[in-house]
Amino acid sequence: EAQVTQNPRYLITVTGKKLTVTCSQNMNHEYMSWYRQDPGLGLRQIYYSMNVEVTDKGDVPEGYKVSRKEKRNFPLILESPSPNQTSLYFCASSLQGAVGNTEAFFGQGTRLTVV
Amino acid sequence: QKEVEQNSGPLSVPEGAIASLNCTYSDRGSQSFFWYRQYSGKSPELIMFIYSNGDKEDGRFTAQLNKASQYVSLLIRDSQPSDSATYLCAANKFYFGSGTKLNVKP
Repeated sequence: EAQVTQNPRYLITVTGKKLTVTCSQNMNHEYMSWYRQDPGLGLRQIYYSMNVEVTDKGDVPEGYKVSRKEKRNFPLILESPSPNQTSLYFCASSLQGAVGNTEAFFGQGTRLTVV
Repeated sequence: QKEVEQNSGPLSVPEGAIASLNCTYSDRGSQSFFWYRQYSGKSPELIMFIYSNGDKEDGRFTAQLNKASQYVSLLIRDSQPSDSATYLCAANKFYFGSGTKLNVKP
């Protein structure tokens, strides 16, 4: 089954404790992206990757890191989480980049709480 | 910043009515537009996309695009309570509006 898998689904952590949210897709998609979703603000792009070893900042990259060492994986790293990073996070992948008529597939979401 | 604007709602319609959801975008270079439906706490799922001016129909859903006015809309005919969700408009796939919450009342 074609899917984007995020782990964990739920995470409560403390300020400053490094964490990684994993994202994996089995569709051989080149494009992957991370979003955060907050009430009233919609989906805001954190980072995206056009292909292996190619990553770039989205609209809200501060406090986050990513890597793309393999095509299927695109982990999101919070080196020193803070309470303002409490949010619902989604990973997405697509066969093509922005200018293409193939849809984006989303993971199930990770609800992160930083206390 | 490439902005996509949507009225947050909620938009309330009675069951069986037509729901009209609207979206405007600022980047004239945007070429394709996507409508996603998102139930609370769940991931967005694609309803349809459009990239040519005019209308595109898929079942009860019709997307309309007017590039001159930088305007995209989604019409849902014969609205059902199961259509109650937040509808996200995206330009060039990855630039999302904040979504419109739709409530369909039985």
